[in-house]
Amino acid sequence: AQSVTQLDSHVSVSEGTPVLLRCNYSSSYSPSLFWYVQHPNKGLQLLLKYTSAATLVKGINGFEAEFKKSETSFHLTKPSAHMSDAAEYFCVVTLGGGNKLTFGTGTQLKVEL
Amino acid sequence: AAGVIQSPRHLIKEKRETATLKCYPIPRHDTVYWYQQGPGQDPQFLISFYEKMQSDKGSIPDRFSAQQFSDYHSELNMSSLELGDSALYFCASSLGLEREASYNEQFFGPGTRLTVL
Repeated sequence: AQSVTQLDSHVSVSEGTPVLLRCNYSSSYSPSLFWYVQHPNKGLQLLLKYTSAATLVKGINGFEAEFKKSETSFHLTKPSAHMSDAAEYFCVVTLGGGNKLTFGTGTQLKVEL
Repeated sequence: AAGVIQSPRHLIKEKRETATLKCYPIPRHDTVYWYQQGPGQDPQFLISFYEKMQSDKGSIPDRFSAQQFSDYHSELNMSSLELGDSALYFCASSLGLEREASYNEQFFGPGTRLTVL
């Protein structure tokens, strides 16, 4: 079985300050982990993915995440938030190609002036 | 680049009616996945197909059925619709099952918003 836990349902930051969205995973096997972003009334866009290569993964729009096996974590970070980053972020786990994605419950990121 | 196409984008139905959602994967992608996202919820996996055969099944109600056709497009058929079926239905496609250690990324369509009145 596999699952992800997003530790914060809502995160609010000021524009220009760092972003940290937390995710812990549980998997019986070596997982593949992802972060997806969903803007209001939009589809799901892949931010970045970890598939057992480098543990520090860089994604689009300045986001990055670090896979820490000892902590079973895959937190998403960005050095400086932008207003356009306001959206819902999902941490996702899968056992591998061809397998279903299991989503976390999401973190709503709010960016204030 | 071509993306996943879903139709219709919006659909309004009455209770107990039927609905058919269509998904056209990215060209050469042979695997299709369906997800349901209720209001304020995270997407939940429904069902997937690889090479026209069902490859995995999730929390899909018995009232729903799906299939993948020879051109790899997929249809999700929903009967006896209930108010609780109102949701955003996503289709995703990928290129085949895992053959190497790397993951075959799932590309999502824009979704079909189904409203049941």
